[in-house]
Amino acid sequence: GDSVTQMEGPVTLSEEAFLTINCTYTATGYPSLFWYVQYPGEGLQLLLKATKADDKGSNKGFEATYRKETTSFHLEKGSVQVSDSAVYFCALSPRNTGNQFYFGTGTSLTVIP
Amino acid sequence: GAVVSQHPSRVICKSGTSVKIECRSLDFQATTMFWYRQFPKQSLMLMATSNEGSKATYEQGVEKDKFLINHASLTLSTLTVTSAHPEDSSFYICSARTAGSTGELFFGEGSRLTVL
Repeated sequence: GDSVTQMEGPVTLSEEAFLTINCTYTATGYPSLFWYVQYPGEGLQLLLKATKADDKGSNKGFEATYRKETTSFHLEKGSVQVSDSAVYFCALSPRNTGNQFYFGTGTSLTVIP
Repeated sequence: GAVVSQHPSRVICKSGTSVKIECRSLDFQATTMFWYRQFPKQSLMLMATSNEGSKATYEQGVEKDKFLINHASLTLSTLTVTSAHPEDSSFYICSARTAGSTGELFFGEGSRLTVL
């Protein structure tokens, strides 16, 4: 079945460091791929998405490229800030199901000054 | 983006009582809403799919008599935890999806339930 495998955390980085959070997926067909962010005590917010192969989603300095050949959607940011401290979830939505989202287990990121 | 609002954000109740959590889509109509449960430091577990005008679809292992879901209108779904027990304490999150196969999920702020 469809699934998402996400890099386990927690991840601790110094401010201005480079961030990579790995995400790979298993799916039939061509799913849409998402990164959601959850700040402490809050619900999830969409960070970025990509709907087809080779698409690059970007927002707030974060980027992820939909790689069908490696079934990956790794999240990157060139210079993290303390305010980026949160839990990041990779997710996929198969086409034509209408309902189902599959989430990774989440990666906790802490950025220290 | 679309806004989904959840209420209350925090609730504390005594064991044996029932608690209702509301989920509203504020600026769009949602024929389908989703209820998730999140345990500490874990991912979201889909509990059920709430369908406007019909019965909810529950995921395997979720007690439908325990977690009552009502989708009264195109902008409101409610989750009632009946006869709550301490093991029901958790973070409950609702979401709604905009139209289209690539529509993203918009999440409510979540409701933290603590059962004493």
